[in-house]
Amino acid sequence: DTGVSQNPRHKITKRGQNVTFRCDPISEHNRLYWYRQTLGQGPEFLTYFQNEAQLEKSRLLSDRFSAERPKGSFSTLEIQRTEQGDSAMYLCASSVDLRGTQYFGPGTRLLVL
Amino acid sequence: GEDVEQSLFLSVREGDSSVINCTYTDSSSTYLYWYKQEPGAGLQLLTYIFSNMDMKQDQRLTVLLNKKDKHLSLRIADTQTGDSAIYFCAETPEDTGRRALTFGSGTRLQVQP
Repeated sequence: DTGVSQNPRHKITKRGQNVTFRCDPISEHNRLYWYRQTLGQGPEFLTYFQNEAQLEKSRLLSDRFSAERPKGSFSTLEIQRTEQGDSAMYLCASSVDLRGTQYFGPGTRLLVL
Repeated sequence: GEDVEQSLFLSVREGDSSVINCTYTDSSSTYLYWYKQEPGAGLQLLTYIFSNMDMKQDQRLTVLLNKKDKHLSLRIADTQTGDSAIYFCAETPEDTGRRALTFGSGTRLQVQP
């Protein structure tokens, strides 16, 4: 088991462009979470999936953000029309079930110029 | 809503003990976690405790929970330079289906040789 993986690790984009990040959870973990971490802060919850179902989205997730987990395995997070305020580390975590501990990936650091 | 607070910075000498403190506001039964983050990396789970416990020990790590004061601490014995990192306290209520974590802002631990 290689843990949670995320790609790319770094992304630099120009304002207004779309970006997509991928998260591969630990095998057989049915819960997958996305968090955002800005400089000097702790991670903040964005959304989570139970298998392929997206069960909750936080107020931080504007209409420009969309997340999918089509087959209940990997997940993608897309940001459309990026803004400079989207610059952050995007972290993915997975857990085996509702009560399971969340294990985090290395994150994708996004810089919007 | 839930809120988690931590002191921002702690400096210790190598070989000393480090104590990192955290307070939380959630009044329901809850799981409390300590994660470690090294520069540019994701979050590494260190340990966790459920709110019906007072203490948990795992090798050099000791977690103490004061439920009355909603105060959590992480003690690292014989602190090493490799322990230099940011330490995050996080909590999630036991009685909801969401289980998203609420994080503090992190405590930067600096270990001086």
